[in-house]
Amino acid sequence: RKEVEQDPGPFNVPEGATVAFNCTYSNSASQSFFWYRQDCRKEPKLLMSVYSSGNEDGRFTAQLNRASQYISLLIRDSKLSDSATYLCVVNISPGVDSSYKLIFGSGTRLLVRP
Amino acid sequence: NAGVTQTPKFRILKIGQSMTLQCAQDMNHNYMYWYRQDPGMGLKLIYYSVGAGITDKGEVPNGYNVSRSTTEDFPLRLELAAPSQTSVYFCASSYSRQGSGNTIYFGEGSWLTVV
Repeated sequence: RKEVEQDPGPFNVPEGATVAFNCTYSNSASQSFFWYRQDCRKEPKLLMSVYSSGNEDGRFTAQLNRASQYISLLIRDSKLSDSATYLCVVNISPGVDSSYKLIFGSGTRLLVRP
Repeated sequence: NAGVTQTPKFRILKIGQSMTLQCAQDMNHNYMYWYRQDPGMGLKLIYYSVGAGITDKGEVPNGYNVSRSTTEDFPLRLELAAPSQTSVYFCASSYSRQGSGNTIYFGEGSWLTVV
């Protein structure tokens, strides 16, 4: 089982639609959670961190469910410019060598059509 | 606003050749990383560094080497290129350790093909 799993999509939605992505993680000791956005042939960029209480940034809402070990990203009023791949990223707590590890999901592709 | 700069952007290597991917950041970040991203996959950590003179292996270090002689530079060396190393490579840096909440800044990527 992958440490971080996402539906690869693509999600093909019309402009103005609301779309939700889910992500599940396997390590219950995971501490921090993020959504990154990656445009085609570009580098990933941080979209938002995910907090236990849920958080919102404009049209984007992130939720965390620790009991079920899943993270969600909701995009309201989709724009053409939202077309990208959305990466779910989880931080694994320190290992025996006190190292931290960021685990990247393989991403969910979103296509917003006119 | 240079941020993280990596070169070259594209490279084709023959099996067995060696090369170095260069990475430099101008944000005075202590932490630097090298990731690879295969098609349709998430990023995998190759090596990382928590400061000048200190490097550690990530998840997929085999076939690679790194050095960190200065805070700014973190080159990645491929000694004997193999087709399995065909991938997109991202260098990144952060102020503190990855996942602590501080943003990780990525370079624009280096597309490497080994034939």
